[in-house]
Amino acid sequence: AQSVSQHNHHVILSEAASLELGCNYSYGGTVNLFWYVQYPGQHLQLLLKYFSGDPLVKGIKGFEAEFIKSKFSFNLRKPSVQWSDTAEYFCALEGSGAGSYQLTFGKGTKLSVIP
Amino acid sequence: DGGITQSPKYLFRKEGQNVTLSCEQNLNHDAMYWYRQDPGQGLRLIYYSQIVNDFQKGDIAEGYSVSREKKESFPLTVTSAQKNPTAFYLCASSMKARQTQYFGPGTRLLVL
Repeated sequence: AQSVSQHNHHVILSEAASLELGCNYSYGGTVNLFWYVQYPGQHLQLLLKYFSGDPLVKGIKGFEAEFIKSKFSFNLRKPSVQWSDTAEYFCALEGSGAGSYQLTFGKGTKLSVIP
Repeated sequence: DGGITQSPKYLFRKEGQNVTLSCEQNLNHDAMYWYRQDPGQGLRLIYYSQIVNDFQKGDIAEGYSVSREKKESFPLTVTSAQKNPTAFYLCASSMKARQTQYFGPGTRLLVL
């Protein structure tokens, strides 16, 4: 079975603060990893993804994430957040096993950025 | 204007009633998915379809049914057997299975 754990339910930051959202996963094989973002009133959008290669991946709007295989982690980072980053962030895993076509999502982290 | 459309935006269901949520995509994607989103629960997979006329159950398929008669369309029916249907329903599609999924705007289902 595969699972994703997001450590923080709600994070509150001031503008210009640095952001790191934790994501750990459980799966015994090769994984594809994703971060999706849901802005208020908007639909879920892909922020970035890791399939293979360089473990440091860059996404849209200055976000990046680092895949650390030994820690089963895929934390999301941004050096300086803006008010417009207020949203809910979801980490997701896709396993590589035969028949494993399922994206498993974490429960999400709400980010509130205070101007 | 390519993308995934879901209708209606809000849907109300009476006790004992079946309701159908629409999902259409014009991205020429083979694979389509239905997720349910509850507050604090993330997204959970209901059904997915890798190709026309084929679909598989996800983690929480009980009380739901789907069809995939056309590549562009993957409607979800919430049956009266689903005892807790109030949720936000998201449809997604991907070029093929195991490729990046893109999401529609969602349908919020409420029970009267």
